[in-house]
Amino acid sequence: DAMVIQNPRYQVTQFGKPVTLSCSQTLNHNVMYWYQQKSSQAPKLLFHYYDKDFNNEADTPDNFQSRRPNTSFCFLDIRSPGLGDAAMYLCATSGRTGEDQPQHFGDGTRLSIL
Amino acid sequence: DQQVKQNSPSLSVQEGRISILNCDYTNSMFDYFLWYKKYPAEGPTFLISISSIKDKNEDGRFTVFLNKSAKHLSLHIVPSQPGDSAVYFCAALTQGGSEKLVFGKGTKLTVNP
Repeated sequence: DAMVIQNPRYQVTQFGKPVTLSCSQTLNHNVMYWYQQKSSQAPKLLFHYYDKDFNNEADTPDNFQSRRPNTSFCFLDIRSPGLGDAAMYLCATSGRTGEDQPQHFGDGTRLSIL
Repeated sequence: DQQVKQNSPSLSVQEGRISILNCDYTNSMFDYFLWYKKYPAEGPTFLISISSIKDKNEDGRFTVFLNKSAKHLSLHIVPSQPGDSAVYFCAALTQGGSEKLVFGKGTKLTVNP
């Protein structure tokens, strides 16, 4: 019944070792978002796709990349994770941007860096 | 530079009483506001929203009030139930602009039986 599915729920990687987080959706939504949330902080938007159009936030580090091979899937690639990248990563979707399309979130992937 | 502020990290209320969660914003271009609820180990779920053309929106036990002149909104939950215990995030966006959701840091609500 889950609509936005993130895998894995917990990911441990080594400092500097590339890691990929995945998100899939069954809602057929046009827009997919990736957020980073650190402890006791607000979720921070990293980037989003409107269909195939990629929109990067100005302050998203170059270390973070994303791919959306089709409507259902979106990936977050962290090329060389640093200790500061340890966080919860949340994927969200919406039918389109706008007031009548609240975002639907997955349960997140908690990333730890050793 | 936080544009959406939730100044109370936590709030504790008794079951059956009213919970009031507050949110302030600084960007006058925000014209749509949302509240999300988050349980531990789950993602945020949409709760209720309000457009800047309104000052109140109600959905069952949940009511959101917007005071544009004060750049303040609040979420009222009445009566509060133990199952309402969660972290509540306030979020805002500007329609027609980037439409990017800007979140506050959240308020952890505990409803005691």
